[in-house]
Amino acid sequence: EVQLVESGGGLVKPGGSLRLSCAASGFTFSSYSMNWVRQAPGKGLEWVSSISSSSSYIYYADSVKGRFTISRDNAKNSLYLQMNSLRAEDTAVYYCARDSIAAAGTLPYWGQGTLVTVSS
Amino acid sequence: QSALTQPASVSGSPGQSITISCTGTSSDVGSYNLVSWYQQHPGKAPKLMIYEVSKRPSGVSNRFSGSKSGNTASLTISGLQAEDEADYYCCSYAGSRVFGGGTKLTVL
Repeated sequence: EVQLVESGGGLVKPGGSLRLSCAASGFTFSSYSMNWVRQAPGKGLEWVSSISSSSSYIYYADSVKGRFTISRDNAKNSLYLQMNSLRAEDTAVYYCARDSIAAAGTLPYWGQGTLVTVSS
Repeated sequence: QSALTQPASVSGSPGQSITISCTGTSSDVGSYNLVSWYQQHPGKAPKLMIYEVSKRPSGVSNRFSGSKSGNTASLTISGLQAEDEADYYCCSYAGSRVFGGGTKLTVL
């Protein structure tokens, strides 16, 4: 069974930093691209960042480019999101989501999310 | 990229059919058949309902169907049931992902 478990969320002051983690199990982590998708309170889904299976290709939404860094450790079956220079508008539930190899652009598996609150 | 355009809300009675539209541009929805739809109940993670415009993942009811015409994709739910009440999001993949703003479905 595919499982994605996010951790690392919490309360941080504007300008601060936070590192999110996503522990993956139930599949060959090193074979799949991974993503972070966030959802501000009461708002819609927003794609944040993607990383290919070998970390060769990395993409960011314009809203986080230059502030967030996605990475992965295939030996530890883990995905990370380093968030720096945090702003109030970064407050959201952050989901880790796995790509599909067979269906491009599809996110068939999601974690339960971790809440990041940026407030003074 | 700008978010795809969805109606904020739709509603229907049990047993009826509803359709949710998702309008993008020739650079996203119109460019590839890589539109997916996600269902999200309150406090829960999104669930994939439709991928590649009209394909259903294993385990998803055949009451859910998808289509696309030009720059607009659509999700149709037939035989509405109470458990279908949720938020629905479309998503287009054209190198990077863009989601729609979401549609709240109310089953009357």
